[in-house]
Amino acid sequence: EVQLVESGGGLVQPGGSLRLSCAASGFTFNNYWMSWVRQAPGKGLEWVANINQDGSDKFYVDSVKGRFTVSRDNAGNSLYLQMNSLRDEDTAVYYCARATESVTTFQHWGRGTLVTVSS
Amino acid sequence: DIQMTQSPSSLSASVGDRVTITCRASQSISNYLNWYQQKPGKAPKLLIYTASSLQSGVPSRFSGSGSGTDFTLTISSLLPEDFATYYCQHRHSYPVTFGQGTRLETK
Repeated sequence: EVQLVESGGGLVQPGGSLRLSCAASGFTFNNYWMSWVRQAPGKGLEWVANINQDGSDKFYVDSVKGRFTVSRDNAGNSLYLQMNSLRDEDTAVYYCARATESVTTFQHWGRGTLVTVSS
Repeated sequence: DIQMTQSPSSLSASVGDRVTITCRASQSISNYLNWYQQKPGKAPKLLIYTASSLQSGVPSRFSGSGSGTDFTLTISSLLPEDFATYYCQHRHSYPVTFGQGTRLETK
């Protein structure tokens, strides 16, 4: 059974940093693109970033470019999102998602971790 | 960026009803369109990929159609567990984007 478990969320002040983790199990992690998708409270879904199987290709939504970095550890079956220079508008539940072979079709999702940016 | 617009934003219906949700892309996306269902406090669930392909395990009362800029998600006969929010998502190019969601409520 595919399992994705996010951790690392919490309360952080504007301008601060946070590192999210996603522990993957139940599939061959290094065979799949992985993504982060977020959802602000009461709002819709927003794709944030993704990374290819060996970590050599990464893509970001414009609003996080230069501030967020996606990475992965295939030996440890983990996905990460380093978030710097956090803003109020980054407040959201952050989901880790595993793609199908089509890269940006999100077949499996974690339960999410809440990031709150507030002073 | 390609904008995805869903209509309606909310919809009231009854068990047994046939329901259709529309998604329009701001430019042609061929058939690179997915549909998700999300229930309160839960992660989204993939229902339909590539416009009309039913994800494994999803009931056949769900169907998708369309290509180019106009797409539909149809639920042929609503069951109580179908009341949720539905999102379309294009995967034509980066950044992939979602529609704003359609909240399906019980009448």
